[in-house]
Amino acid sequence: RKEVEQDPGPFNVPEGATVAFNCTYSNSASQSFFWYRQDCRKEPKLLMSVYSSGNEDGRFTAQLNRASQYISLLIRDSKLSDSATYLCVATTGFQKLVFGTGTRLLVSP
Amino acid sequence: DADVTQTPRNRITKTGKRIMLECSQTKGHDRMYWYRQDPGLGLRLIYYSFDVKDINKGEISDGYSVSRQAQAKFSLSLESAIPNQTALYFCATSETPGLGANEQFFGPGTRLTVL
Repeated sequence: RKEVEQDPGPFNVPEGATVAFNCTYSNSASQSFFWYRQDCRKEPKLLMSVYSSGNEDGRFTAQLNRASQYISLLIRDSKLSDSATYLCVATTGFQKLVFGTGTRLLVSP
Repeated sequence: DADVTQTPRNRITKTGKRIMLECSQTKGHDRMYWYRQDPGLGLRLIYYSFDVKDINKGEISDGYSVSRQAQAKFSLSLESAIPNQTALYFCATSETPGLGANEQFFGPGTRLTVL
C-alpha cells in the first residue's frame, strides 16, 4: 500500500464548478500535511498547509481527518488557471515529505 | 533570480556515462533534498541532507550518490547512468522545523534522458 494515495483523475470540470480531491495516508504518526500544485513540466509549489481545524485560503479549503487518515481539498468557482496536478503530501517519522502521485484537474471554458 | 537553481536543465547522455546534477540555493536553508519524478509514480526521495555534514539515503538511493559541498550546494551523481534513470529530477530545500515539517521549495527540475 502506498503511504499517500490519491485518485489520479483527470477531473474534467467546467469553469465555475466546485471540485473536491481526496487523499489517504497510511502513517498514523504523520504530523504535517500539505497540498502542492504542479503545472505541467514545472516544479511543485505549495498551495496550502492542512491543519486539524481545517483551513481556507480564498477559493481553496483543506480538511484533515486524523481518525480516518484522510485529507481533502475543495476548490470553489474553478478557474481555467486552476488546471494543474494537485499533490497530497504527508510527513514521515523523520520529518521527510511523502508525496502522492497527484490528481490532475482540467477546467474547461 | 530564482531561490533554488538546478543545472543543467536538460541532459541527454548514454548508458554507462557519469553524470552530475547540481543544485544551488540562496534561501539560507539547512535542509536539501533530491527527488526524481516518473509518470504514475510521483515524487520519490533519493537523498537528503539536514546540514552540511549530514547525508541520508532516501527510498531509491541505489545507483546515485550525493555531495553537500556547502550549505548552499547539493549535487547528485549518477556514477554509471542506465536507461531506467531517465526521469525528471528535482532539488528542494527547507528550513529546519520546530515540530512536524516545513514547506519545501523546489528548483525548476532537470530532465535527464539516458539512451
